[in-house]
Amino acid sequence: AQSVSQHNHHVILSEAASLELGCNYSYGGTVNLFWYVQYPGQHLQLLLKYFSGDPLVKGIKGFEAEFIKSKFSFNLRKPSVQWSDTAEYFCAVITSGTYKYIFGTGTRLKVLA
Amino acid sequence: EPEVTQTPSHQVTQMGQEVILRCVPISNHLYFYWYRQILGQKVEFLVSFYNNEISEKSEIFDDQFSVERPDGSNFTLKIRSTKLEDSAMYFCASTVAQGLGYGYTFGSGTRLTVV
Repeated sequence: AQSVSQHNHHVILSEAASLELGCNYSYGGTVNLFWYVQYPGQHLQLLLKYFSGDPLVKGIKGFEAEFIKSKFSFNLRKPSVQWSDTAEYFCAVITSGTYKYIFGTGTRLKVLA
Repeated sequence: EPEVTQTPSHQVTQMGQEVILRCVPISNHLYFYWYRQILGQKVEFLVSFYNNEISEKSEIFDDQFSVERPDGSNFTLKIRSTKLEDSAMYFCASTVAQGLGYGYTFGSGTRLTVV
């Protein structure tokens, strides 16, 4: 069955530290990939998406992600986090098989000031 | 930027009661969805809706659940007789077209608490 794995459930960083959140999916066909952020009490906000083309995708708020097809991965990165990045981050995939979102379990990020 | 609007933001209901969660999708979107997120768990697909009928539903979406688009703008999720395990955040989403190359727009969610 198609699935998305986020291996880091809770991450705690100090401000200015670099961030990398892992995301792996299981599907051999064509995919669209997404990272969403959910601030406390707020809705899912799209950070970035990959449809095709350059596998390095830049999003809002200084985030970027790299699609590595051979590793079925789409890791999220930010070189220097801020306290305001404290939130939950979700990786999601749409596959050519189902055309509906499959979400990972989320990673709760806490940035210490 | 157009938004998907959900009301209420938080609903508390007693077990066995009916609840209706409301969503106003983006006006030119044609595909509508409900997802839910039980606290601490991942976001799960419930149902998709297109051309005034359900196009796909998950195992979670049993006979207690129903959806409708009563007036061309609202998209509602009804839970007929709520259970404690229905407590979750429910997200509505819409998209102009289904398939690769399109993404959804999600609403802000309704937190349903069944007591």
